[in-house]
Amino acid sequence: AQSVTQLDSHVSVSEGTPVLLRCNYSSSYSPSLFWYVQHPNKGLQLLLKYTSAATLVKGINGFEAEFKKSETSFHLTKPSAHMSDAAEYFCVVSRWNTGGFKTIFGAGTRLFVKA
Amino acid sequence: DGGITQSPKYLFRKEGQNVTLSCEQNLNHDAMYWYRQDPGQGLRLIYYSQIVNDFQKGDIAEGYSVSREKKESFPLTVTSAQKNPTAFYLCASSIGQKAGELFFGEGSRLTVL
Repeated sequence: AQSVTQLDSHVSVSEGTPVLLRCNYSSSYSPSLFWYVQHPNKGLQLLLKYTSAATLVKGINGFEAEFKKSETSFHLTKPSAHMSDAAEYFCVVSRWNTGGFKTIFGAGTRLFVKA
Repeated sequence: DGGITQSPKYLFRKEGQNVTLSCEQNLNHDAMYWYRQDPGQGLRLIYYSQIVNDFQKGDIAEGYSVSREKKESFPLTVTSAQKNPTAFYLCASSIGQKAGELFFGEGSRLTVL
């Protein structure tokens, strides 16, 4: 069975300070891992993905994530938050299963950025 | 520009009525999906389709129906049998079976009065 847990439902940071959004996953096999961002009343946009290549993955808008197999984690980071980063972020795990890929979404972490 | 178009953006419905949400894509993707999003929860899969004229139930298919008559189109009908239909509905597509990498529409917000 596979699952994904986002450890914080809300994170608040000040503009210009680092961002850390935590995600732990559980998967019997090597998964693909993704982070998506969703602004209010919008669809989801892919930030970055890990598919068994480099463990440090760089994405759009200065975000990056590190795959740590020993810790079963895939935390999302950004060195300096911007007001436009305020949104909801979803960690997603996906792996091949009979009949196709099985994709599981985390519950989401809402990021607040203070001026 | 290529993308996924969902309509309507906002929809109000009286109890007991069926309603159909439109989803059209011009990305030439084989697979399409419908998700439901409720506050504080992740996305839950309603239905998905990997090829034309074929679709499978997701985790919460009860009270919903779909069709896939064309590659570009995957409409979702919320029937009166759906007990709690008020939600934000998201349509997505993917290249073949690489389902983890999804492209999303802007969503449709359904409110049942």
